[in-house]
Amino acid sequence: AQSVTQLDSQVPVFEEAPVELRCNYSSSVSVYLFWYVQYPNQGLQLLLKYLSGSTLVESINGFEAEFNKSQTSFHLRKPSVHISDTAEYFCAVSDSGGSNYKLTFGKGTLLTVNP
Amino acid sequence: ETGVTQTPRHLVMGMTNKKSLKCEQHLGHNAMYWYKQSAKKPLELMFVYNFKEQTENNSVPSRFSPECPNSSHLFLHLHTLQPEDSALYLCASSQDLGPSYEQYFGPGTRLTVT
Repeated sequence: AQSVTQLDSQVPVFEEAPVELRCNYSSSVSVYLFWYVQYPNQGLQLLLKYLSGSTLVESINGFEAEFNKSQTSFHLRKPSVHISDTAEYFCAVSDSGGSNYKLTFGKGTLLTVNP
Repeated sequence: ETGVTQTPRHLVMGMTNKKSLKCEQHLGHNAMYWYKQSAKKPLELMFVYNFKEQTENNSVPSRFSPECPNSSHLFLHLHTLQPEDSALYLCASSQDLGPSYEQYFGPGTRLTVT
């Protein structure tokens, strides 16, 4: 069975500060990894994903995440956050092989960017 | 309408009521999902449909009854719910089943059971 641990339930930061949202997973098989973002009163949106290839993946709005197989981590980072980045962020994992399409989600991290 | 839409956005119902949640996707996808999002808990996958056929029932109580009349529409029929069923119910769709296919989520229905 897979599991995802998001170590911080809430992360408050000031605008233009850097941020890191931590995600660790456990799995007995190779995985795909995802970060989803949920803005207030909205559904989840895919922010970025790792399927294969370069272990560093980027989103269009300045976030990046690095797949570290040895540490079973997929931490999300942004060098300078904006007020509009305030949202809840979910890390998710799925099997990369076979027919298992299920996403296993973490509990989420609420990022609050203050002026 | 674009993407995945859900109605109603908010629903308050008593434990003896019967109600239905509706989801519609305008993306031409083949797979649709129901998730339950409760506070401080990970998203829980409830049901999965692929080409209108149910492929997953994640041990969901029978008071939740899904219906998928076609690939674009998904319903969740609710009957004799409990207060602990209060949550945000999210619908999602993807092109096909498979871990590499992105799931697109609707805005959810906020359900309160009184």
